[in-house]
Amino acid sequence: SAVISQKPSRDICQRGTSLTIQCQVDSQVTMMFWYRQQPGQSLTLIATANQGSEATYESGFVIDKFPISRPNLTFSTLTVSNMSPEDSSIYLCSVDNGELFFGEGSRLTVL
Amino acid sequence: AQSVSQHNHHVILSEAASLELGCNYSYGGTVNLFWYVQYPGQHLQLLLKYFSGDPLVKGIKGFEAEFIKSKFSFNLRKPSVQWSDTAEYFCAVTWMDSSYKLIFGSGTRLLVRP
Repeated sequence: SAVISQKPSRDICQRGTSLTIQCQVDSQVTMMFWYRQQPGQSLTLIATANQGSEATYESGFVIDKFPISRPNLTFSTLTVSNMSPEDSSIYLCSVDNGELFFGEGSRLTVL
Repeated sequence: AQSVSQHNHHVILSEAASLELGCNYSYGGTVNLFWYVQYPGQHLQLLLKYFSGDPLVKGIKGFEAEFIKSKFSFNLRKPSVQWSDTAEYFCAVTWMDSSYKLIFGSGTRLLVRP
């Protein structure tokens, strides 16, 4: 299993600002993933973050908007840049440790 | 493109009723199949998964799912639901030829009335 901690758990942000979400795992994992769950919708994969390489972004997501860091095998950050109300969402970190485990998510509200 | 469809967006049942939630995925090839549950205010939890072998998979809390390859389906079932099963249920699939990315269905909100 894997225990995933995300910070912040929730935040209210102003339009045009940026926020960095942290994801800490209690064990070393190769693959980490960032998902977005918009209100009333399912989960959409933003990017895959492997340690030591650039993140791989899915269609519709770009590095300038969602820069990701993966400095080691237990930690990753996702930044939501230049936020707009459309970025209001839950952002989830997940890891593949035999199966996919999810953090509790970071609920962002952009005013 | 790869996709996962859950046709039931909202389901309302009374306690003790039987449940079946549909899940279809877009095309064949080797797949891994999952059902996740999200209880109100909680994070996603894995209910069950299928990688290979017996296509009838049993998970936690009395849930089971059947993989029917010819129908590209992986429906979730429970013979008798409880009020505590009220949650949102997500079907998810990875394709072996797609870097193991997990693609989620749109989810089904289940409300069980006591």
